[in-house]
Amino acid sequence: NAGVTQTPKFRVLKTGQSMTLLCAQDMNHEYMYWYRQDPGMGLRLIHYSVGEGTTAKGEVPDGYNVSRLKKQNFLLGLESAAPSQTSVYFCASKEYYSRDRSNTEAFFGQGTRLTVV
Amino acid sequence: ELKVEQNPLFLSMQEGKNYTIYCNYSTTSDRLYWYRQDPGKSLESLFVLLSNGAVKQEGRLMASLDTKARLSTLHITAAVHDLSATYFCAVDASGAGSYQLTFGKGTKLSVIP
Repeated sequence: NAGVTQTPKFRVLKTGQSMTLLCAQDMNHEYMYWYRQDPGMGLRLIHYSVGEGTTAKGEVPDGYNVSRLKKQNFLLGLESAAPSQTSVYFCASKEYYSRDRSNTEAFFGQGTRLTVV
Repeated sequence: ELKVEQNPLFLSMQEGKNYTIYCNYSTTSDRLYWYRQDPGKSLESLFVLLSNGAVKQEGRLMASLDTKARLSTLHITAAVHDLSATYFCAVDASGAGSYQLTFGKGTKLSVIP
């Protein structure tokens, strides 16, 4: 099992360029998340999905779009990159919530380091 | 909006000493997670706390959850250098109808010989 795989691992963009980050999980998890990590800010939730075909906004959604056309994939798009989007991006997935479930922690990908110049 | 506050944000401690990291949160939740992150790496799950009064221990780390006080603690016993890392708590509010998983800002722990 690969777990959660993010593509690419590193990327440099020019201001105004667009790109898509791919997150793929092979654990059949319902929930998927995109976070950004900046120094001193912890992990901030950008968008999340509770199932195929559904997405919702998190704490810092502006400038990003997402899609979940297949259960195993969650895509994060930047339509017009800005220097403020320079960050490390993490994708995570977890089982759906149930009071009877005990193993519900989120599993993380290895991260994508994005620099916008 | 769910808020998760960790303190301290920075912790420098000598080997062999004990210390506690605190995680307070602002809304009803019946589960909380602790993660570890090494520099330049991803997050690794340490503990899953599922109910009020839950206590889990792994080596020199022990985590507890008080859902009534909306407080979790991560206690470090007799610290060693290998524990140097950043520790995050994360609150799962799915049981209260919000499916967001919200993280604290993290506690950067440095254990000094």
